[in-house]
Amino acid sequence: GQQLNQSPQSMFIQEGEDVSMNCTSSSIFNTWLWYKQDPGEGPVLLIALYKAGELTSNGRLTAQFGITRKDSFLNISASIPSDVGIYFCAGQLRYEYGNKLVFGAGTILRVKS
Amino acid sequence: DAGVIQSPRHEVTEMGQEVTLRCKPISGHDYLFWYRQTMMRGLELLIYFNNNVPIDDSGMPEDRFSAKMPNASFSTLKIQPSEPRDSAVYFCASSAGQFNEQFFGPGTRLTVL
Repeated sequence: GQQLNQSPQSMFIQEGEDVSMNCTSSSIFNTWLWYKQDPGEGPVLLIALYKAGELTSNGRLTAQFGITRKDSFLNISASIPSDVGIYFCAGQLRYEYGNKLVFGAGTILRVKS
Repeated sequence: DAGVIQSPRHEVTEMGQEVTLRCKPISGHDYLFWYRQTMMRGLELLIYFNNNVPIDDSGMPEDRFSAKMPNASFSTLKIQPSEPRDSAVYFCASSAGQFNEQFFGPGTRLTVL
């Protein structure tokens, strides 16, 4: 089945540092999405990417949809304590029943202030 | 506006008991998704509905799992009988249209002893 390889598994960084995480897959996706999950909550969409090569920013977040449509990265600049959480990439895939999301395993981000 | 509402937030039950998880999607959303999150397998799609009709239930692990959506504002996920390996966080999500953002509920943390 489809699988997303997300790395790194976890990061422990100093407040103010930049963060980078990425996802790769052997499958081609139509859309790449990045979610953040806070403890005890459901994932919340951060950024959506719809075209190969697209580079999108949302405040301190920047994400890119790889040109091959098989990878994406997320950068967070100047991290702050509230950036702590689990970040998931997700690929949107057309399949026989329509459309579904396939999620990466997540990157756990801890910020030291 | 209220987001996706799930109840209960936590459920602890004994093996063999029936468990019912409930979800109220965002009003006006026509797609409803049930996901399961575990450390081992991450976030997995169990089933999704469009206009109250189940479209793809291929992610439902076994016949012990069943889901219904009797109307546009309510869905249930039932496990009968429950087993310890069903312990996980179960999320409900809804979207307006298949390709639009999925909004997740806060999840139900299920522990089966």
